[in-house]
Amino acid sequence: QLQLQESGPRLVQPSETLSLTCTVSGGSISSTNDYWGWIRQSPGKGLEWIGSIDYSGNTYYNPSLKSRVTISVDTSKNRFSLRLRSVNAADTAVYYCAREIRSFDYWGQGILATVSS
Amino acid sequence: EMVLTQTPGTLSLSPGERASLSCRASQTVSSIYLAWYQQRPGQAPRLLIHGASSRATGIPDRFRGSGSGTDFTLTISRLEPEDFAVYYCQHYSSSGFTFGPGTRVDIK
Repeated sequence: QLQLQESGPRLVQPSETLSLTCTVSGGSISSTNDYWGWIRQSPGKGLEWIGSIDYSGNTYYNPSLKSRVTISVDTSKNRFSLRLRSVNAADTAVYYCAREIRSFDYWGQGILATVSS
Repeated sequence: EMVLTQTPGTLSLSPGERASLSCRASQTVSSIYLAWYQQRPGQAPRLLIHGASSRATGIPDRFRGSGSGTDFTLTISRLEPEDFAVYYCQHYSSSGFTFGPGTRVDIK
């Protein structure tokens, strides 16, 4: 059974960079058919796709966040990562990682990242 | 830019009743790129339906997806207590993913 687990700092200072990692277990991140994505959900709000990556590093991003986002992959550690630069209070959200095959079928439990001084 | 509109915003029903949730796209979409999710409080979303009408692994057959073009429907034939949750539709394109704002199914 594929499992995903988010990790990283839960408190980020305004204007700093939010960095999260998603570790995949029970399967390989190097599957040629799969992409791996980040989705976030602000408190009490809906879902917002951030971006996705495949095992070879091909990425695509939400245009509204593209200027601030980098997603990378480390196949040797079976994990992928999110960096969101210049954060502000509006970036406070639960961040989920998920496997993507035109929809998201396996999800991590999510991690609440709060932007506050 | 794709916009997904979900109606109603909230649906108040009793266990055993039938629920019908609508998702309307601002442009014609290919059915294979339309999915539905369920999210219970404090949990990650769960994929219910992909390709507009294919149930994901382990999803009970009381959940049915239908529709084409711009209009899609998620039907729950008989609501179980665990079905009271928020439901999201989602569209995929080569540019990325769009989620609808969600429909909350409440206990009446």
